[in-house]
Amino acid sequence: DTGVSQDPRHKITKRGQNVTFRCDPISEHNRLYWYRQTLGQGPEFLTYFQNEAQLEKSRLLSDRFSAERPKGSFSTLEIQRTEQGDSAMYLCASSGALNYGYTFGSGTRLTVV
Amino acid sequence: KQEVTQIPAALSVPEGENLVLNCSFTDSAIYNLQWFRQDPGKGLTSLLLIQSSQREQTSGRLNASLDKSSGRSTLYIAASQPGDSATYLCAASGGNEKLTFGTGTRLTIIP
Repeated sequence: DTGVSQDPRHKITKRGQNVTFRCDPISEHNRLYWYRQTLGQGPEFLTYFQNEAQLEKSRLLSDRFSAERPKGSFSTLEIQRTEQGDSAMYLCASSGALNYGYTFGSGTRLTVV
Repeated sequence: KQEVTQIPAALSVPEGENLVLNCSFTDSAIYNLQWFRQDPGKGLTSLLLIQSSQREQTSGRLNASLDKSSGRSTLYIAASQPGDSATYLCAASGGNEKLTFGTGTRLTIIP
C-alpha cells in the first residue's frame, strides 16, 4: 500500500465554478478525514467518515461543500460556486482506529481566481 | 475546546546543534499527540505518535515527550542537518476524532 493518495495535486479554477477532489485512503483504514489549511496556519478539521457514514461536519463546511465516501472506500470533496476564500490546501487523512494516529496525503492545492 | 500553541513560530540554528520544539495544549484529556513535518507546498509527514499512556517516543534523531498534566509536548532533534529544515506541526487528538493543530514552528538549519 502506498499511503493516502489525493488527486489532483493542484487545481486552478475561476470563481463560481465547481470543483471536486478525490482521496484514496490506506485500504485497511475505516476512518477518513478532510482538513483545510491556509497559508501560515495549521490544518483545520472539515469532516470525518467512519466507513461510509459521515459522522461529523465542521461549521467551516458551508452548504457549498459536500463530501461523500461511497462504499467506505475513496472519498470525494466537492465545492460548488467556488469563492476566492476557498483557496487553500485540502488535506485528506485516514486512520485505522482512534489511538493509531493519522496518515495524511500530499494534499490538493486549490487556487480560485 | 482544545487549543494548541507552538512557540516559537520560527527558529534558525546552525547545522549540528541539538534543538527543542515546544507544543502546549489546553485540554489534557487527549488520546494522543502527534508530531508532523511539512515541507513547503506539501502534505504532512508523520514523525512520532505518543499515546496518552506514554511519556515519550523515539525515532532516529527525534525524541518526543508528553506531559499531560502540564499540557506540554516537546520534540527534540539531535545533531540537526540542513534536510531537517521544514515546518513542524503538533496535533492533539481527543475522543471526538478530530485533530487540533498548532500553527507550527518553521525550522531553518543553517549549513
